[in-house]
Amino acid sequence: DTAVSQTPKYLVTQMGNDKSIKCEQNLGHDTMYWYKQDSKKFLKIMFSYNNKELIINETVPNRFSPKSPDKAHLNLHINSLELGDSAVYFCASSLLGQDYNSPLHFGNGTRLTVT
Amino acid sequence: DQQVKQNSPSLSVQEGRISILNCDYTNSMFDYFLWYKKYPAEGPTFLISISSIKDKNEDGRFTVFLNKSAKHLSLHIVPSQPGDSAVYFCAASRLESGGGADGLTFGKGTHLIIQP
Repeated sequence: DTAVSQTPKYLVTQMGNDKSIKCEQNLGHDTMYWYKQDSKKFLKIMFSYNNKELIINETVPNRFSPKSPDKAHLNLHINSLELGDSAVYFCASSLLGQDYNSPLHFGNGTRLTVT
Repeated sequence: DQQVKQNSPSLSVQEGRISILNCDYTNSMFDYFLWYKKYPAEGPTFLISISSIKDKNEDGRFTVFLNKSAKHLSLHIVPSQPGDSAVYFCAASRLESGGGADGLTFGKGTHLIIQP
């Protein structure tokens, strides 16, 4: 009964490849996110998305694109992978307009290693 | 430009004692603050939050204090238990933004180690 699940847990791939990370939430939330935890351990938002609006952090390269087939899924596609993309990627969800009762719920992360 | 700072990478506390984790922020627009707890190979889990209209919020063994004038918040855990050993992240956002475009701004985390 995992609330936010993402697959795969580990992903090792070569530079230049295209890969996807899948995320699903069963909490009935209407907003989903992708966060990146880099080597310095900072968790930084990449995207937030609800059925109305995709908001992109301006620092995210356009090689990264979120795809949402429905409200419960937000997959992350990465094209032309680079060494610097190696990080742990976390999916999260919440009700629109986080309030005191609706904080982010995170998945367990996908550790991406680009060689 | 770190808008949320956790200056202690690690903290060691004896079981049964009080653990105090500190967090400073620089963005005066932040009005909603949260603490997340993270175990290895898992995602962060929500622990407790506080809005800027309060200066204290308590939930069981966990209490968060907010000092707006000092742009400082702290998390108190008492009594500390072995299961509390984890990385604790402080996070902040602007409620007005709905957490959307800005999401949450996280600190680097503090690794709390509870010694038996």
